[in-house]
Amino acid sequence: TAGITQAPTSQILAAGRSMTLRCTQDMRHNAMYWYRQDLGLGLRLIHYSNTAGTTGKGEVPDGYSVSRANTDDFPLTLASAVPSQTSVYFCASSDSSGASDTQYFGPGTRLTVL
Amino acid sequence: GQNIDQPTEMTATEGAIVQINCTYQTSGFNGLFWYQQHAGEAPTFLSYNVLDGLEEKGRFSSFLSRSKGYSYLLLKELQMKDSASYLCAVRDGDYKLSFGAGTTVTVRA
Repeated sequence: TAGITQAPTSQILAAGRSMTLRCTQDMRHNAMYWYRQDLGLGLRLIHYSNTAGTTGKGEVPDGYSVSRANTDDFPLTLASAVPSQTSVYFCASSDSSGASDTQYFGPGTRLTVL
Repeated sequence: GQNIDQPTEMTATEGAIVQINCTYQTSGFNGLFWYQQHAGEAPTFLSYNVLDGLEEKGRFSSFLSRSKGYSYLLLKELQMKDSASYLCAVRDGDYKLSFGAGTTVTVRA
């Protein structure tokens, strides 16, 4: 089973350009999340979606937008990238009807903004 | 905001035991998770505690004390492949996960 896939694996982007990071899961999980991971800071929540058609802001949402048109896909868009958005981005999903609502992570996208 | 503290680094010898402590102060509590993350890879789920006490899963055990805002992850019979970062994460009253910065464990032969 694929679980969660992310694309691209890595990307170098010029400041001011836009980019969409893709995330797809095949586990039929209702909830999906986007995190960024920076050295010394741990994982920080950017945006989340509890179910298709709904989204919410996390701890660090500025400069990012998301959409959840269906259960499987949860793209993250940077409208105008800045160097401080250089990071590793992880998508995660969970089944919030489960007892523990454990989040499972994709392989990540390493983004460098120059 | 949430405050989750864990040591930055730990080193241990192959075959030994290591205990990684995590203390937290969050707005509400709905469970504590431990994840393992090898360099350049995604975090993978290790354990979940929502009630006080010890949860054992093979060589790994996790303990929780809600009254003390404290958890630990115990790794027994350390193997070289256990060299990784270990992330403590707390689910708050809004059911959102907050992560500590992670503890890098280095296992030496």
